[in-house]
Amino acid sequence: NAGVTQTPKFQVLKTGQSMTLQCAQDMNHNSMYWYRQDPGMGLRLIYYSASEGTTDKGEVPNGYNVSRLNKREFSLRLESAAPSQTSVYFCASSEPDPLVGYTFGSGTRLTVV
Amino acid sequence: AQSVTQLGSHVSVSEGALVLLRCNYSSSVPPYLFWYVQYPNQGLQLLLKYTSAATLVKGINGFEAEFKKSETSFHLTKPSAHMSDAAEYFCAVLEYGNKLVFGAGTILRVKS
Repeated sequence: NAGVTQTPKFQVLKTGQSMTLQCAQDMNHNSMYWYRQDPGMGLRLIYYSASEGTTDKGEVPNGYNVSRLNKREFSLRLESAAPSQTSVYFCASSEPDPLVGYTFGSGTRLTVV
Repeated sequence: AQSVTQLGSHVSVSEGALVLLRCNYSSSVPPYLFWYVQYPNQGLQLLLKYTSAATLVKGINGFEAEFKKSETSFHLTKPSAHMSDAAEYFCAVLEYGNKLVFGAGTILRVKS
């Protein structure tokens, strides 16, 4: 099925460990996004990529890095995980016309202990 | 910067009752507004969107929303709640650069 695929679905890290969250879309979308979801705070934008080869910071970029590997893939890296990064992470993509809306992945639930 | 405020983090209705979820926006330009729904352990799905074509917007699953500029609101309604409507609902506004800014979300509970 066409859509946005995120891996892994669940992950537990120890403080200080690193990991990369993977995201891939097969809809030929130019723009891709990483959000984190925390209770009572909605979704907050971490980083986004308007097109292949470009990335920009969102509202809460500290502690994260991203790579737009190609048009399909957009990864999020935590270099040194902290308990404050315990969250559910969503990747999304969108067509050039922003009014079409986003397509979201099913999320990665990350716990940092 | 644009923003949205959702009034009420939790809303509880009886099955068959009216659903009303509130969203107010802050924008210096005519906004593009969206409602998304998130079912447990899933990603977000688009319910409906306002793009200035019509002030009353109909979406999927019987939901609709009315854009009221004078009240800076975009409330989501459904005449008759169904058990399957239980989910978390997010209002969002499109910001410059094709970025969605989300509200804090409202969890809808439907009682039988």
